[in-house]
Amino acid sequence: DVVMTQSPLSLPVTLGQPASISCRSSQSLVHSDGNTYLNWFQQRPGQSPRRLIYKVSNRDSGVPDRFSGSGSGTDFTLKISRVEAEDVGVYYCMQGTHWPQWTFGQGTKVEIK
Amino acid sequence: EVQLVESGGGLVQPGGSLRLSCAASGFTFSSYWMSWVRQAPGKGLEWVANIKQDGSEKYYVDSVKGRFTISRDNAKNSLYLQMNSLRAEDTAVYYCASMVNYYYGMDVWGQGTTVTVSS
Repeated sequence: DVVMTQSPLSLPVTLGQPASISCRSSQSLVHSDGNTYLNWFQQRPGQSPRRLIYKVSNRDSGVPDRFSGSGSGTDFTLKISRVEAEDVGVYYCMQGTHWPQWTFGQGTKVEIK
Repeated sequence: EVQLVESGGGLVQPGGSLRLSCAASGFTFSSYWMSWVRQAPGKGLEWVANIKQDGSEKYYVDSVKGRFTISRDNAKNSLYLQMNSLRAEDTAVYYCASMVNYYYGMDVWGQGTTVTVSS
């Protein structure tokens, strides 16, 4: 099974400052079709998760452009250019390449300092 | 409005059974893969099972194989999860979710229903 490892697990950030979350996979996430299916989810306190980014760097509808995703192979990053109060929550990476076994990272908790 | 509403959670003894339901509205349910994802108390997300649009393909995480069964009724716009031989480690909030593209993961999520396995 593919193991997804996120770091850090806790990320205190000052409002208006950038934040960066790393996600590494135990196997390459490059699919045989040439695409890389690494997705990011946000879970605000007390809410259901929602997808922010799919296929490494594509933002979902309604997701602010301060969120960006990048990476390739086994190393990926979610960046928030300027953290706002509404960004507090837990962020998960999830691989879809090695379908039909989806796996999530452990989650990274973003909080305001 | 696209909506998924789970129900059927509750307290059950170890070894018992429970059936979760998920009512879909606001989209063409029969056109989407559907998924169950769970979250144990204070823990992260764990994918549990997926089912193809017509129910012909079903996939499970290893820890629930042989105990859980995912199904759907497209005429009723409903998704189900039959859970048998429940264990304490199955205690979690269970979310149903839809997928436009299964490689991209879950794009619409329900609010979740809580399952507690305890004596």
